[in-house]
Amino acid sequence: DVKVTQSSRYLVKRTGEKVFLECVQDMDHENMFWYRQDPGLGLRLIYFSYDVKMKEKGDIPEGYSVSREKKERFSLILESASTNQTSMYLCASSSSSGSDYAGKAFFGQGTRLTVV
Amino acid sequence: AQSVTQPDIHITVSEGASLELRCNYSYGATPYLFWYVQSPGQGLQLLLKYFSGDTLVQGIKGFEAEFKRSQSSFNLRKPSVHWSDAAEYFCAVAPYGGSQGNLIFGKGTKLSVKP
Repeated sequence: DVKVTQSSRYLVKRTGEKVFLECVQDMDHENMFWYRQDPGLGLRLIYFSYDVKMKEKGDIPEGYSVSREKKERFSLILESASTNQTSMYLCASSSSSGSDYAGKAFFGQGTRLTVV
Repeated sequence: AQSVTQPDIHITVSEGASLELRCNYSYGATPYLFWYVQSPGQGLQLLLKYFSGDTLVQGIKGFEAEFKRSQSSFNLRKPSVHWSDAAEYFCAVAPYGGSQGNLIFGKGTKLSVKP
């Protein structure tokens, strides 16, 4: 089974801190994604990457950056955390070919981040 | 711009009753469509997907969905709901033919099941 692992289930950070959320997948998937999930707003795409060192902005990239130095790892960075970034963050990966093609995404269990 | 609408924020059904969750999409070409389920405290799990061909697709856990191009809909159905189906359900579309893999999600429908 594909496994997508997020480094933390719960995080509490202070306003202004630099925050790193880590995600690792073990299926050699080309595509990786970071979503933010808020009640009543569903999932919104922050950034995605379709190859190592490649990144594309999603719908809500402001205040975030990402890093993909290795194929299996995709990091989300909050340069200076703010209270409005308190949310559930979900990482996902998918393949660009084969039976898992196109959008069959595998999700991690999420990181609930609280910024105080 | 592509979008996905789930008109129902919260639905409550009795255990054993049938279920239909609505999803409408806005997309110029034939989209790739998906339903995901999220149990409390968990990530999302794929229930089923539609790429092409038969417009009625079967998924896991006894769910099915029907693609209706004329109505731009992809509604999820289950003939008999079980208490373990209580969760949040998300409809999603993959734009660009899925070539970049990213998904656009609806805002979700929360399903509660009465005993």
